Amino acid sequence: EAGVAQSPRYKIIEKRQSVAFWCNPISGHATLYWYQQILGQGPKLLIQFQNNGVVDDSQLPKDRFSAERLKGVDSTLKIQPAKLEDSAVYLCASSSPGGSGRFEQYFGPGTRLTVT
Amino acid sequence: QKEVEQDPGPLSVPEGAIVSLNCTYSNSAFQYFMWYRQYSRKGPELLMYTYSSGNKEDGRFTAQVDKSSKYISLFIRDSQPSDSATYLCALSQGGSEKLVFGKGTKLTVNP
Repeated sequence: EAGVAQSPRYKIIEKRQSVAFWCNPISGHATLYWYQQILGQGPKLLIQFQNNGVVDDSQLPKDRFSAERLKGVDSTLKIQPAKLEDSAVYLCASSSPGGSGRFEQYFGPGTRLTVT
Repeated sequence: QKEVEQDPGPLSVPEGAIVSLNCTYSNSAFQYFMWYRQYSRKGPELLMYTYSSGNKEDGRFTAQVDKSSKYISLFIRDSQPSDSATYLCALSQGGSEKLVFGKGTKLTVNP
């Protein structure tokens, strides 16, 4: 079974520039999550999709961050414009909804973003 | 007070030692408790998941939950150098898949 794929793995941009991250979840997983993990911290949920609908985006800074999941499969997360404090690893995860499986989230390797 | 508190360590132990990792939480609505392991430059992977108070064992790993004290633990027996990683506790309320993570504890097991 292929895991969660993310690209790019690393990105360096200057502040005020824009950046986009891509995620392909495990086949058949209806639920997709984007997390932000700042160095020395645990992951923080930014947005959760169920198929192509948003379930929770309460911690997404909507003035600069946006995410979409067209067709309920791949997802992109965009930051525009980036700030220095956006430097972090952006993790994508997926899970099967319902039952105990919904707590078993499978994470991708992450995209390490550095904003200079 | 943060929802989930976890000592970030670092924690360094000799091979074969018993390791104890802990988290405390403040919100009694949390009902599901998980431990994730994160190797350097990798995404977290689920180690153990438990719902009720008590112990759950899986090989060398034991997860313990004390809901009355709002305290969860992960014990690693006969620790190995391959256990060197950051261990994250994650908690969820009933009816929601949203996970709230601790900061993670960095563990190094020395051969």
